[in-house]
Amino acid sequence: QEQLVESGGGVVHPGTSLRLSCAASGFKFNGYGMHWVRQAPGKGLEWVAFISYDGNKKNYGDSVEGRFTISRDDSKNTLDLQMNSLRVEDTALYYCVRDKVNFAMDVWGQGTTVTVSS
Amino acid sequence: DIQMTQSPSSLSASVGDRVTITCRASQGFTNSVAWYQQKPGKIPNLLIYAASILHSGVSSRFRGSGSGTDFTLTINNLQPEDVATYYCQKYKSAPWTFGQGTKVEIK
Repeated sequence: QEQLVESGGGVVHPGTSLRLSCAASGFKFNGYGMHWVRQAPGKGLEWVAFISYDGNKKNYGDSVEGRFTISRDDSKNTLDLQMNSLRVEDTALYYCVRDKVNFAMDVWGQGTTVTVSS
Repeated sequence: DIQMTQSPSSLSASVGDRVTITCRASQGFTNSVAWYQQKPGKIPNLLIYAASILHSGVSSRFRGSGSGTDFTLTINNLQPEDVATYYCQKYKSAPWTFGQGTKVEIK
C-alpha cells in the first residue's frame, strides 16, 4: 500500500542543522509533488515546504524560507528536508505528505520528531 | 497570502447532533479547500477536497460546502468516533495554508 516513512529527527541545539528523510513506497513517487508539514506540541498544522513532481518548483513557508531546503531523489524514492540554523520554535513533529494536486494532501507519514533545545 | 480563519476553535455536542465548522478565507479564490480530521494521537486524514468532494472511504455523515470566501464542514449524526480536531486548508498553490483547527468533543 501507499506508504511514507520519515526518519532523521532528534534533539539538537539552536543554531545547528538536521536533515530529515522520507522513504516512499507503494506508488509512483516521481509522479507526485511532495510536502513537509509540521505540528508543534499541542498546536495546529503548519505547512513547511513543497517540491513539484519533477523537482523544478519549490516553495517554502515564511517561517523557514532561507533556512530549510527541500529536495528529492526519484532514483531512491526519497524526499529530504535540510534544516539549517534551527530555532527553538522549529520544535515539532514533521510529516512527509503526498500532494495529489486537485485532491489535496492524501497520504501522510507517521512523522518524525525534531526538538530544538539549549 | 490568503489566510484561513476557522471557527469555532472548539465545540462540544451530543451524540446524534449536527455540527458545523466554518472556514473563512481572507480573499476569494477557487474551491481548492480541503478538510482534514486528526484524532487524538493520530496523523491527519483527508476528509474532503475541492470544498465538497468526499475522499474515498470517508463516511457520508461528513459534508463540505461553500465557495468564494466561506466554506463549511458539517458532521451529521455526530458519533463518538468523530472526536477529533478538524482543519480546513487552502491547497493547490503556495502557501498551502491551514486553518487553526476546531476541536470537537462529545458532551
